[in-house]
Amino acid sequence: GQNIDQPTEMTATEGAIVQINCTYQTSGFNGLFWYQQHAGEAPTFLSYNVLDGLEEKGRFSSFLSRSKGYSYLLLKELQMKDSASYLCAAMDSNYQLIWGAGTKLIIKP
Amino acid sequence: IAGITQAPTSQILAAGRRMTLRCTQDMRHNAMYWYRQDLGLGLRLIHYSNTAGTTGKGEVPDGYSVSRANTDDFPLTLASAVPSQTSVYFCASSDSGDFTTDTQYFGPGTRLTVL
Repeated sequence: GQNIDQPTEMTATEGAIVQINCTYQTSGFNGLFWYQQHAGEAPTFLSYNVLDGLEEKGRFSSFLSRSKGYSYLLLKELQMKDSASYLCAAMDSNYQLIWGAGTKLIIKP
Repeated sequence: IAGITQAPTSQILAAGRRMTLRCTQDMRHNAMYWYRQDLGLGLRLIHYSNTAGTTGKGEVPDGYSVSRANTDDFPLTLASAVPSQTSVYFCASSDSGDFTTDTQYFGPGTRLTVL
């Protein structure tokens, strides 16, 4: 079956760095997406990886290892506004997204 | 402002009633999607449409129907609501249709409670 695993909740301190991991098992693979979702709001796109390696976009970076079925989202210089859920989603061979349950990130001052 | 709108924002519905959730986008995107989001679970695809006039079933289509008469609108209908359909419903769209890795953009969601 198809499956996405990511931690349910993480806590970090303002100004610090946090890494949110995601492992996936899909029928075929057409890329890995990360979305941010603040409580009560819509998911918003953060990043897309289809090749192995690190993609950096400001304070956020995303890494992919296709051979390991593994990705992570790295958030640097954490701000209070980064408190949100982070959703990992893998695209399968039918170009449909398989979503993880999300990681709730709590930022403490 | 370009984007996706959904209506209503929230709704409490008696079991057995019919309900249509509305979704409209003004980005001229070809593909549209309906998801439900439940606590502890990932987003689950209900139905999708790769282009106007076509629709397809997602992971959890039972009890739901959709139509795509034009590019902009993609309504989701619950013919006879049941309590297990209590959820937050998100509509999304992406630029291209079939076989695309295009980013999906989400509407603000509809919180539906079926009693």
